[in-house]
Amino acid sequence: DGGITQSPKYLFRKEGQNVTLSCEQNLNHDAMYWYRQDPGQGLRLIYYSQIVNDFQKGDIAEGYSVSREKKESFPLTVTSAQKNPTAFYLCASNPSWGFSGNTIYFGEGSWLTVV
Amino acid sequence: DAKTTQPTSMDCAEGRAANLPCNHSTISGNEYVYWYRQIHSQGPQYIIHGLKNNETNEMASLIITEDRKSSTLILPHATLRDTAVYYCIVRVGDNAGNMLTFGGGTRLMVKP
Repeated sequence: DGGITQSPKYLFRKEGQNVTLSCEQNLNHDAMYWYRQDPGQGLRLIYYSQIVNDFQKGDIAEGYSVSREKKESFPLTVTSAQKNPTAFYLCASNPSWGFSGNTIYFGEGSWLTVV
Repeated sequence: DAKTTQPTSMDCAEGRAANLPCNHSTISGNEYVYWYRQIHSQGPQYIIHGLKNNETNEMASLIITEDRKSSTLILPHATLRDTAVYYCIVRVGDNAGNMLTFGGGTRLMVKP
């Protein structure tokens, strides 16, 4: 079945460590996104990518990095520079760029906890 | 960018229609209205979207006012499994691509 797969579901990180969250989609979507959600809050955009080898910062990109080497993959690295990384992270994808009538689909999310 | 305003929370009796309002008074002509819902600790689920005509699918109906400044999501026969946070979203303009900007949403509690 087509969809968006995020892994791991739960991840614990020690302070000062970098961690990478995986996001894979087999929907042949061009655009991919990473959102962060804090408890009881809405989603905030971290990074997005319109096409392979291209990505742009969202509203809260500081302390995060991404890559888009393949169309189906958009991994997010949470670096040690991110001072408050404990949150729920959501990956999403969209069929095309520039057409606002298309829907965006989400993965099931990854919980990151700093210990 | 158009912003949306939703009530923080609403209650609905099981089996009754749930009507969730959303104000988007600054929406522009080519922006769509989207509705998503999120059950705790899961990814948001797409419900429905529309431009200016009313829309209906197997999950819900979307009623958009003629001036497009507000809309209502209708769950015709709410069940306990419809308890979730519902987000009304207007798609950001083309210079920012197809991003979705989420607000706080409406926490719908369906009660027996």
